[in-house]
Amino acid sequence: AQKITQTQPGMFVQEKEAVTLDCTYDTSDQSYGLFWYKQPSSGEMIFLIYQGSYDEQNATEGRYSLNFQKARKSANLVISASQLGDSAMYFCAMRVGDYKLSFGAGTTVTVRA
Amino acid sequence: DTGVSQDPRHKITKRGQNVTFRCDPISEHNRLYWYRQTLGQGPEFLTYFQNEAQLEKSRLLSDRFSAERPKGSFSTLEIQRTEQGDSAMYLCASSGGYNEQFFGPGTRLTVL
Repeated sequence: AQKITQTQPGMFVQEKEAVTLDCTYDTSDQSYGLFWYKQPSSGEMIFLIYQGSYDEQNATEGRYSLNFQKARKSANLVISASQLGDSAMYFCAMRVGDYKLSFGAGTTVTVRA
Repeated sequence: DTGVSQDPRHKITKRGQNVTFRCDPISEHNRLYWYRQTLGQGPEFLTYFQNEAQLEKSRLLSDRFSAERPKGSFSTLEIQRTEQGDSAMYLCASSGGYNEQFFGPGTRLTVL
C-alpha cells in the first residue's frame, strides 16, 4: 500500500519569508508521481506542482519548488516569499499506477503580517 | 468558467434519506474521480471513471453508494439511506492524462 506522511500539522511563517513543508512517501513502485495541492478555507483543492519519479530536475512553478530526494523518499514543498494569501492547508499526494491519488493528512500554514 | 463544477455545494439531510450529487468535469477530460474528505484529513479515493466505464471502486464505498457517468461527461454520486458517518466533503476531480487532477469546489454533506 502507498503511504504519504506529513509530520507538521501546523506552521507559522512571517510574510515575505520562505517556508518548507515536509512530505515523505512509501512505495515499492518505480514509476509514480508526486503532487502538492493547496486547500484554502473555501474548500477547493488547487493544484500547485508535480514531480515525476523519473524527472531528474526538481520541479518549480513560480514561488513553489519541490525538493525531490528520491533515495530518501521525500518531496518537500518550498514556498518562497510567503504572502498572506498563502495561508491555507497544504496536501502532499502520490499517484501510483494510472490514476488514483493518495493524500497525506495535510499541513496548515498561517502567514503572519 | 471551464473548471470542474459540482452541485449542490452544500446538502443537509436527515438520516435515512437518499442524496445525489452531480459533477461536471472539464469538457475535454476523459478521466473523472470522486474523493471523500472528512474534517482534518486528506481526501480519500472513492471511485474512478475513464469515459463512461467505472474502473475501480474503493472499499470505502459501501453498497449504499453508487456512481455513474452515463455518457462519459457528467457524473453522479448517490448515497442511499444516509448515515451520520457519511457527513463529509465529497470532491470530484478530472484529468486528461496521468498528471494533475483538477478538483471541483466540493459538496459538503451534513447528515443530521
